[in-house]
Amino acid sequence: SQKIEQNSEALNIQEGKTATLTCNYTNYSPAYLQWYRQDPGRGPVFLLLIRENEKEKRKERLKVTFDTTLKQSLFHITASQPADSATYLCALGGGGGNKLTFGTGTQLKVEL
Amino acid sequence: ETGVTQTPRHLVMGMTNKKSLKCEQHLGHNAMYWYKQSAKKPLELMFVYSLEERVENNSVPSRFSPECPNSSHLFLHLHTLQPEDSALYLCASSQTPGAWSGNTIYFGEGSWLTVV
Repeated sequence: SQKIEQNSEALNIQEGKTATLTCNYTNYSPAYLQWYRQDPGRGPVFLLLIRENEKEKRKERLKVTFDTTLKQSLFHITASQPADSATYLCALGGGGGNKLTFGTGTQLKVEL
Repeated sequence: ETGVTQTPRHLVMGMTNKKSLKCEQHLGHNAMYWYKQSAKKPLELMFVYSLEERVENNSVPSRFSPECPNSSHLFLHLHTLQPEDSALYLCASSQTPGAWSGNTIYFGEGSWLTVV
């Protein structure tokens, strides 16, 4: 069955550093991958989408890579700030099913 | 403000109660969803509606009953729930219902449900 793995342990980094979050998947060939941000007690908010034929996508301080050979996506936040602290979810879709499948998310804490 | 509004934000109900969650989207989208989010678990898709027609029901127990009177409103009727149904229930919408083309899903703030 399809499986999406994100680091279950929180990632703590210092302000100004680059945060890198990982999304690995198995038994799936998605057509695209999305990243969402979720703050405590609130709904997820869409950040970026990257398609299978794209290696990298950028938006302001965010960068996403997608390696379909490794079955992995990396999500980078450069010059991180305490306001970036949240849980980040990856979601895969379009790979033969009509559902968007979410990972459990990784909590990021950016400290002063 | 995501354009998807959910009420109530918090709900405590007994196992014999009947209550409803309400969702309204102001984005002109054609698809609406109910998701369940429990601690340490991925988002679980419960129901999908496309233009008021239910297109997916992911083996959800009958104690959860969705209703979509029009493309802007979605309800989740709850009755005879169990304590393990306590979770964050998220309503969402997208332009089209499928995951084929990379639809962006717009989520509401969620309704925290506690079953006692």
